[in-house]
Amino acid sequence: DAKTTQPPSMDCAEGRAANLPCNHSTISGNEYVYWYRQIHSQGPQYIIHGLKNNETNEMASLIITEDRKSSTLILPHATLRDTAVYYCIVSPITGRRALTFGSGTRLQVQP
Amino acid sequence: DVKVTQSSRYLVKRTGEKVFLECVQDMDHENMFWYRQDPGLGLRLIYFSYDVKMKEKGDIPEGYSVSREKKERFSLILESASTNQTSMYLCASSSRTATNEKLFFGSGTQLSVL
Repeated sequence: DAKTTQPPSMDCAEGRAANLPCNHSTISGNEYVYWYRQIHSQGPQYIIHGLKNNETNEMASLIITEDRKSSTLILPHATLRDTAVYYCIVSPITGRRALTFGSGTRLQVQP
Repeated sequence: DVKVTQSSRYLVKRTGEKVFLECVQDMDHENMFWYRQDPGLGLRLIYFSYDVKMKEKGDIPEGYSVSREKKERFSLILESASTNQTSMYLCASSSRTATNEKLFFGSGTQLSVL
């Protein structure tokens, strides 16, 4: 599986957009980009995933560059409840694979 | 709402004890996973299962075994608990679809081995 690189930590002001970057320069054509987050003392929670088109759901937007070598998760109006560790994961479309979680980005939303 | 339930939130065991961690999901998912999470090391995959009675080793299977006798239940077994197995254990499940590795996680079991 392709590796991902994320900044270890970021801050964001409450009410502002949080833009979390992820580099996956070795991604291959059959690999999706997944984002999960883990709020303290809870299990990780799925946020969104995409292959090459930008995606949006009720939680966030995912912007994938045209060459697919990087992506950005956008939380449009961050709240204190969005303080968490955010994981960017790359994994093949098919197959009996388990997701590999890296260290993620610790997002602190400031009041 | 979908649910993955882990039998205990906190567990304290002694070195050498046999420990069972139970996980049950109510989503009829084919796939189930056990991870452990330690500070500074992130989530590491221990074992996973893609069907009843099937299991595959993850990245750190040593000292652990698993059992999947029913589709909804996946058990992690520490044959002889050791202090280095003190950790947060997380169970997850997913549906075997071609385009989605959406995992649903339980709340975790914090195991302390004394």
